[in-house]
Amino acid sequence: AQSVTQLGSHVSVSEGALVLLRCNYSSSVPPYLFWYVQYPNQGLQLLLKYTSAATLVKGINGFEAEFKKSETSFHLTKPSAHMSDAAEYFCAVTSFSGGYNKLIFGAGTRLAVHP
Amino acid sequence: NAGVTQTPKFQVLKTGQSMTLQCAQDMNHNSMYWYRQDPGMGLRLIYYSASEGTTDKGEVPNGYNVSRLNKREFSLRLESAAPSQTSVYFCASSERGGTEAFFGQGTRLTVV
Repeated sequence: AQSVTQLGSHVSVSEGALVLLRCNYSSSVPPYLFWYVQYPNQGLQLLLKYTSAATLVKGINGFEAEFKKSETSFHLTKPSAHMSDAAEYFCAVTSFSGGYNKLIFGAGTRLAVHP
Repeated sequence: NAGVTQTPKFQVLKTGQSMTLQCAQDMNHNSMYWYRQDPGMGLRLIYYSASEGTTDKGEVPNGYNVSRLNKREFSLRLESAAPSQTSVYFCASSERGGTEAFFGQGTRLTVV
């Protein structure tokens, strides 16, 4: 079964600085990959997804991610952080197990943005 | 559009009590999921349903049962609650397995 690893449970950046959240996946076949965001006391919201089309994927709120097969990575970036970006971010991968495709999540990265 | 609706939003149980968490989606999706979220653990899959009448265990199924009686609804039952089941539970649905999932607002469960 496939899995994802998110490096860094907490990331802190200054407002206006680059945001880089790391995600590596394990998969023997080209996966579907996702980034979700969770604001306090809310459910998860899709930021962007990779489904084997373009390797650079653009999402909502200025975020983008690049699929790199050679590095088995799908890191999330944003050129300039806003205070409103403070939230928890989850990377997810499609995993085939028990005869079904399921969505499996990483442990999450909490992003703090400082003035 | 309501999307994915979970009830209740909050619940406190005593150890050994039972309860059912309800989830309904109005997007005509085939697949539905139950996850639990714990600090530092991310979301862990409890059970999955690919379609009406089918269910499959996820990463942490012990202590839980599920029921997918129709396409819209997927319920999660705790037969005898334990403090280790204190968590936030999320229901989600997707058009088919492994594709973009839409989430409910969560149920915060405390077992004392």
